[in-house]
Amino acid sequence: DQQVKQNSPSLSVQEGRISILNCDYTNSMFDYFLWYKKYPAEGPTFLISISSIKDKNEDGRFTVFLNKSAKHLSLHIVPSQPGDSAVYFCAASTLTDYKLSFGAGTTVTVRA
Amino acid sequence: DTGVSQNPRHKITKRGQNVTFRCDPISEHNRLYWYRQTLGQGPEFLTYFQNEAQLEKSRLLSDRFSAERPKGSFSTLEIQRTEQGDSAMYLCASSVTGTMGEKLFFGSGTQLSVL
Repeated sequence: DQQVKQNSPSLSVQEGRISILNCDYTNSMFDYFLWYKKYPAEGPTFLISISSIKDKNEDGRFTVFLNKSAKHLSLHIVPSQPGDSAVYFCAASTLTDYKLSFGAGTTVTVRA
Repeated sequence: DTGVSQNPRHKITKRGQNVTFRCDPISEHNRLYWYRQTLGQGPEFLTYFQNEAQLEKSRLLSDRFSAERPKGSFSTLEIQRTEQGDSAMYLCASSVTGTMGEKLFFGSGTQLSVL
């Protein structure tokens, strides 16, 4: 049962433009959401997170937006850089459950 | 380097053989997790420890899989009688509870290929 879904397997964007990655979830008990970035042959690295009490969190070029009523979150990267080319995973957890549930990932390719 | 360390990075084995992977978490983290990732999928939870206690196991973890964390430090994941379907990246993570929630820090993983 996939509780976290990333319906776009890939995204191609020109350098300097905005990348928008989307994530939907089904479990209304989720209250903490994270984005991870993964390069080939490496483990995922934490990028940014948001609590369910907020609707936006910003860290440099990365902003995560949360729409609880729609059970949807998105990651905005602006401006996109070649080093941003990677697989991005959306993940979620509940207050009482430490483990993360992950989406299938979106592969971002930033074109020069 | 104080990150999560996993060994070996790669393991090639023949079907039916046993394999063991090791994970050294970040020293001050008391929770340790094992995940498995296959191509085109996100990491799937296998099991997690709080200190030395194994608190949860996924139904993905068949009886051929066993994990230990003696003394609440490093952890090992053993797969007995490997099958080709066990081929995957095995990821270890450790965590600390932040101001908003649990943040997991992952190692580089062990890529298992079962021939």
